[in-house]
Amino acid sequence: EDKVVQSPLSLVVHEGDTVTLNCSYEVTNFRSLLWYKQEKKAPTFLFMLTSSGIEKKSGRLSSILDKKELSSILNITATQTGDSAIYLCAAPYSGGGADGLTFGKGTHLIIQP
Amino acid sequence: NAGVMQNPRHLVRRRGQEARLRCSPMKGHSHVYWYRQLPEEGLKFMVYLQKENIIDESGMPKERFSAEFPKEGPSILRIQQVVRGDSAAYFCASSPLRARNSYEQYFGPGTRLTVT
Repeated sequence: EDKVVQSPLSLVVHEGDTVTLNCSYEVTNFRSLLWYKQEKKAPTFLFMLTSSGIEKKSGRLSSILDKKELSSILNITATQTGDSAIYLCAAPYSGGGADGLTFGKGTHLIIQP
Repeated sequence: NAGVMQNPRHLVRRRGQEARLRCSPMKGHSHVYWYRQLPEEGLKFMVYLQKENIIDESGMPKERFSAEFPKEGPSILRIQQVVRGDSAAYFCASSPLRARNSYEQYFGPGTRLTVT
């Protein structure tokens, strides 16, 4: 069964700090890894990673995939209170030709002013 | 361009009643996915549909749950004879025609189902 595990499950830091969120995966037919940010409602798409070692960047957020270690990290620099959210990691479901996503439980990030 | 729309946003049902959750994908998207998020759990894939076709329902409970995506109108997730354990947030996501190696899905705001 496919598995996506995130750590830590929760994290509290002060505004301005840099954080690193971790995601490891066990997927039979790996195709890509995705990061989402979930605030009160819909998860919003952040990054999709398919190639090992290539960093994707968007403003203060960046992410990189390590296929050898079956893992990915999401970095947020100079954190702001608006970064407080649950960050979800997901991989396409490898069963039966479906394109559903298998999600980790998420990292609940709280940025204190 | 409106995003994925779901309604109702909140739904309360008594045990034994039916729940119908609706999802309108983003304009131009022909793939719809339903996920369930139980308290303290991650999002779990339930079913993947294209217009008039269920492509994969391997994540859906075998009984009481069904989904459709008709030629016209929204996708519907239907739960018959609801039980307390069905209380959860149900999210719908959509994606456009599959581009090679593209797995991005865009989520709606969810329907929070409470069974009393």
